[in-house]
Amino acid sequence: DAKTTQPTSMDCAEGRAANLPCNHSTISGNEYVYWYRQIHSQGPQYIIHGLKNNETNEMASLIITEDRKSSTLILPHATLRDTAVYYCIVRESGGSYIPTFGRGTSLIVHP
Amino acid sequence: SAVISQKPSRDICQRGTSLTIQCQVDSQVTMMFWYRQQPGQSLTLIATANQGSEATYESGFVIDKFPISRPNLTFSTLTVSNMSPEDSSIYLCSVVHYRASYNEQFFGPGTRLTVL
Repeated sequence: DAKTTQPTSMDCAEGRAANLPCNHSTISGNEYVYWYRQIHSQGPQYIIHGLKNNETNEMASLIITEDRKSSTLILPHATLRDTAVYYCIVRESGGSYIPTFGRGTSLIVHP
Repeated sequence: SAVISQKPSRDICQRGTSLTIQCQVDSQVTMMFWYRQQPGQSLTLIATANQGSEATYESGFVIDKFPISRPNLTFSTLTVSNMSPEDSSIYLCSVVHYRASYNEQFFGPGTRLTVL
């Protein structure tokens, strides 16, 4: 089963930053943290991933704590189109893992 | 990246019938997976589609109910057999590119199945 814990739901005002937390206290040294999101009725979409350093791309920023036991996905200026379920996943590099998903966080961005 | 298409995008089927879902990827990939997403739930892995051999099924899923084919590295099918209303779900095809230090996973748009 998934090795992460996320809040069931969150809400955010449009234009504000959305900070989505994820706990992964049993993460091992070679496991990456990945974030995906699933907009209603679509397939999940990759957002960002990281190992130990903070990462930023055009969609979001990923902040990983120094002990790597938790992380936060930041959507700097949330829009209504960011309303989705966000999944935090930890997985090893290489070809030996089974890609499973937890329940994720349902983010609602309101006007 | 990988572009994945699925057919059909949705279907409404009668109890007791079977439906075959097709998944086409625009590049050769090593690993292909099939997921089910029941209404309001997260994704549940059904099986790994292995090229040239029998699929590897997760606990709770069996080949007789969900036969899978993968004739080559870019195509797979999932059949939902002898359907019941409990099979109403979104079925998702997914592929993974294994990189030296991380894995990229991509999903198809899904097939929304309603069983009456």
